[in-house]
Amino acid sequence: DGGITQSPKYLFRKEGQNVTLSCEQNLNHDAMYWYRQDPGQGLRLIYYSQIVNDFQKGDIAEGYSVSREKKESFPLTVTSAQKNPTAFYLCASSFAWTGGTEAFFGQGTRLTVV
Amino acid sequence: AQKVTQAQTEISVVEKEDVTLDCVYETRDTTYYLFWYKQPPSGELVFLIRRNSFDEQNEISGRYSWNFQKSTSSFNFTITASQVVDSAVYFCALEVGVHMEYGNKLVFGAGTILRVKS
Repeated sequence: DGGITQSPKYLFRKEGQNVTLSCEQNLNHDAMYWYRQDPGQGLRLIYYSQIVNDFQKGDIAEGYSVSREKKESFPLTVTSAQKNPTAFYLCASSFAWTGGTEAFFGQGTRLTVV
Repeated sequence: AQKVTQAQTEISVVEKEDVTLDCVYETRDTTYYLFWYKQPPSGELVFLIRRNSFDEQNEISGRYSWNFQKSTSSFNFTITASQVVDSAVYFCALEVGVHMEYGNKLVFGAGTILRVKS
């Protein structure tokens, strides 16, 4: 079945650690996105990528890094520089370059700092 | 600046009631798209509808209907005869930067939690 797979579903991080969230899609989509969801704030864009080996900062990129070495994969690293990383992280993908394209979302990773 | 406002944080209704979720948007672009997504307890967002800025026709899909009014910058969503399975968080989103080199970014509202009680 085609879709987006995020792992792990739950992740616990100690203060000062970097952690990497996985996102894989088999929909043959060019574009991939990472969003952060906090209670009462909706989704905010962290990073996005329209093609392999290229990505752009979103609205809240500080303390995060990404890579796009393969079309299917767009991992997100939450670094120790991110001061408040506890949140729900959603990965999405879509066909690029055309307006109005629906995005498909994964089931999310809930990150908690302990 | 682009912005989406969903003023209703949470709505509770009894099954079979009709419910309308409000969405107001701001943008200076003349070309844009509006979306509604549903987020069930499982976490993933599910696409419901898209509407482009040049198409103000209302749309009905089963128990769902959408009212787009450019004059008031609103894109409201109505569920008729609500069911328990409709309980979820609903997000309205605005796509900006269409046709730009790095476009297709979505700006989301804060979401409305809908609770349908049996």
